Amino acid sequence: TAGITQAPTSQILAAGRSMTLRCTQDMRHNAMYWYRQDLGLGLRLIHYSNTAGTTGKGEVPDGYSVSRANTDDFPLTLASAVPSQTSVYFCASSVGPERETQYFGPGTRLLVL
Amino acid sequence: GQNIDQPTEMTATEGAIVQINCTYQTSGFNGLFWYQQHAGEAPTFLSYNVLDGLEEKGRFSSFLSRSKGYSYLLLKELQMKDSASYLCAVKDSNYQLIWGAGTKLIIKP
Repeated sequence: TAGITQAPTSQILAAGRSMTLRCTQDMRHNAMYWYRQDLGLGLRLIHYSNTAGTTGKGEVPDGYSVSRANTDDFPLTLASAVPSQTSVYFCASSVGPERETQYFGPGTRLLVL
Repeated sequence: GQNIDQPTEMTATEGAIVQINCTYQTSGFNGLFWYQQHAGEAPTFLSYNVLDGLEEKGRFSSFLSRSKGYSYLLLKELQMKDSASYLCAVKDSNYQLIWGAGTKLIIKP
């Protein structure tokens, strides 16, 4: 089974450009999450979705948007990238939003210049 | 504010035992997770504690004391492949995971 896939693996992006990071899971999990991971900091939640059709803001949502049109896909869009959005982005999913374990995709390494 | 504290880095010897501590202050508690993350890879789930006490899973054990806001991850019979970062995370009252910055474990032969 593929689990969670993310694309692209890495990207260099010019500041001011837009970009969509893709995330797809085949486990039929209800809840999905986007995190960013920066050196010396814990994972920080950007946006989440407890079920298809709903989304919520996490700790650091500014500059990012998400949609959840179906169970499997949870894309993250940067409308106008800035250098501070240089990070490693992880998508994760869980059966539900409560006590269940989150499972992570391989990550997207983004450099904004 | 919410806070998860764990040591930045630890060094241990192959074959030995190491204990990685985690203290937390969160708004509510709905379980504590430990994840392993090798350099350049995604975090992978190790253990989950929601009640006080010790959970053992092979060479890895995790302990929780809710009254003290404290957990530890115990790794026995260390192997070189255990060199990784270990992330402590707590689910708060909103069921959101609050993450520590991680402990980088270096294993020496």
